[in-house]
Amino acid sequence: GESVGLHLPTLSVQEGDNSIINCAYSNSASDYFIWYKQESGKGPQFIIDIRSNMDKRQGQRVTVLLNKTVKHLSLQIAATQPGDSAVYFCAEKGPGYALNFGKGTSLLVTP
Amino acid sequence: DSGVTQTPKHLITATGQRVTLRCSPRSGDLSVYWYQQSLDQGLQFLIQYYNGEERAKGNILERFSAQQFPDLHSELNLSSLELGDSALYFCASSVDGGQGEQYFGPGTRLTVT
Repeated sequence: GESVGLHLPTLSVQEGDNSIINCAYSNSASDYFIWYKQESGKGPQFIIDIRSNMDKRQGQRVTVLLNKTVKHLSLQIAATQPGDSAVYFCAEKGPGYALNFGKGTSLLVTP
Repeated sequence: DSGVTQTPKHLITATGQRVTLRCSPRSGDLSVYWYQQSLDQGLQFLIQYYNGEERAKGNILERFSAQQFPDLHSELNLSSLELGDSALYFCASSVDGGQGEQYFGPGTRLTVT
């Protein structure tokens, strides 16, 4: 069936480095994608979104890239900080505007 | 703080029992979504209500039901509980029926023993 998946379950980066978290999706009809951050013991928190008519969107220290040709999106975090340590989920808007989440990537920032 | 509240924070109950989880959306939000998060399944969409009416249904079991009340708060009812129902249950809200950003509550951790 249609699915959203993450390439890597864990990612370890050094403080100050840039982080790249990848996500693949299979539903070519998906037109809206969101990245969420979930810290331990908390609910998912919106980071950034992108619509399918765009291929790049920037926020504060974060950039989302969308490649519709290969159905891939990525989240780039610049100058990663210890507070960025969390699980990151990509999600797509499915039928009825329900979010279809990927499995998540755990980002660990080391000093 | 997202503005979405959920109660209780933790719930421990036995197999076969029934529980009710409660969610209050952000002020002004008309949509409420319920999600289940377990270690092996990740975040799974269960059901969405918009202004009191069911809007979309996901992987919700027949033993589970939900409703949204006139004051827009929502309840998720889980019955005939099984060990496999142990999970985090999140509620999210958005201002409209699906275009807007969803804000998640802190979740209810359900443990079925």
